[in-house]
Amino acid sequence: KNEVEQSPQNLTAQEGEFITINCSYSVGISALHWLQQHPGGGIVSLFMLSSGKKKHGRLIATINIQEKHSSLHITASHPRDSAVYICAVTGGGADGLTFGKGTHLIIQP
Amino acid sequence: DTGVSQNPRHKITKRGQNVTFRCDPISEHNRLYWYRQTLGQGPEFLTYFQNEAQLEKSRLLSDRFSAERPKGSFSTLEIQRTEQGDSAMYLCASSSRGNSYNEQFFGPGTRLTVL
Repeated sequence: KNEVEQSPQNLTAQEGEFITINCSYSVGISALHWLQQHPGGGIVSLFMLSSGKKKHGRLIATINIQEKHSSLHITASHPRDSAVYICAVTGGGADGLTFGKGTHLIIQP
Repeated sequence: DTGVSQNPRHKITKRGQNVTFRCDPISEHNRLYWYRQTLGQGPEFLTYFQNEAQLEKSRLLSDRFSAERPKGSFSTLEIQRTEQGDSAMYLCASSSRGNSYNEQFFGPGTRLTVL
């Protein structure tokens, strides 16, 4: 069974700061996902990646397959970025997604 | 709206009652997944379907939980004899053959409260 660990669990930062959220997993995967969850439950997929780096607006996701590690970066953070960010993986023997516990991010004005 | 929909959005029930939730996936998606999320935790995988076939059900939490997708379109998740520990958000997601089913699209969830 794949174990997915995220850090930090909670992060409070000031508007404009550069944010990094980390994710590590224990066994090989076919893809890693970064998801955003706002209060009320809705989950939105931000990135799906299996190698290298992807960028979308102020969000950047990287993955190192050899080290089984991924990072999500937010540049020029804004209060509307406040949400729970969840790392999840597919593969590693599981049919559904295996999720980390999430990182609760608060960006203060 | 052509996204994944779930009904009801909220359900309050008394312990011992049965509840049923419905998920309507994106129309061309042939895989449908159910997850449960308890407070402060990431979602956990319960079961999934490819078309009408339930391909994995060993992760269902107990024999009180069952899911169906009779015509390969919408799915229902039933919990019998609910317990207070069943209180959680129940999430549905769907995916298609593109991207090897890796990208999943989530519904808004059904929040269950068992009194």
